[in-house]
Amino acid sequence: DAKTTQPNSMESNEEEPVHLPCNHSTISGTDYIHWYRQLPSQGPEYVIHGLTSNVNNRMASLAIAEDRKSSTLILHRATLRDAAVYYCILRVLNNDMRFGAGTRLTVKP
Amino acid sequence: GAGVSQTPSNKVTEKGKYVELRCDPISGHTALYWYRQSLGQGPEFLIYFQGTGAADDSGLPNDRFFAVRPEGSVSTLKIQRTERGDSAVYLCASSFLGRGGTGELFFGEGSRLTVL
Repeated sequence: DAKTTQPNSMESNEEEPVHLPCNHSTISGTDYIHWYRQLPSQGPEYVIHGLTSNVNNRMASLAIAEDRKSSTLILHRATLRDAAVYYCILRVLNNDMRFGAGTRLTVKP
Repeated sequence: GAGVSQTPSNKVTEKGKYVELRCDPISGHTALYWYRQSLGQGPEFLIYFQGTGAADDSGLPNDRFFAVRPEGSVSTLKIQRTERGDSAVYLCASSFLGRGGTGELFFGEGSRLTVL
């Protein structure tokens, strides 16, 4: 019970923006939205997280809906190195972090 | 190295044997998580420690699985009477959950367990 739903897969062209959606309709007021990605044969790595406001860092941007029931990870210019499985996870009050199946992003040259 | 270290990186064992997997977290991290990942699946939560105690062990699949973190640092995941279905990559992550911490998880490279 990952509490989030994501599309199984998405495709993007290199150097174009990518918007990866996530639904979390049962989110609680104290749950943080975290995004991780997993490159082949590696452990997951942190991308970004937020609570209510949109967030930007050097890797990506996170847009959070006003009702917090959904969010979107934005990669501004996809590169071949961004091909990975992207996971949207809720960090709940007791700090549980449970992954779902994620979205497999394919980047085409 | 300053990252999360997991040993062994690969373990092949026979059905019915006992296995221990070790995780060395980032120094000062208060929380430690164990996950297992089968091919094509997302990481499956097993257990999470805050300090020395298991804050949530609801993901352990059965009583053959046990984990300890006796001094609040290194953790060992123990699997008794291994079965072929236990074959997976076992991932460990640590996090700083104190004041100022973001709760970001830092993962190790994983221990690949194969049960023949």
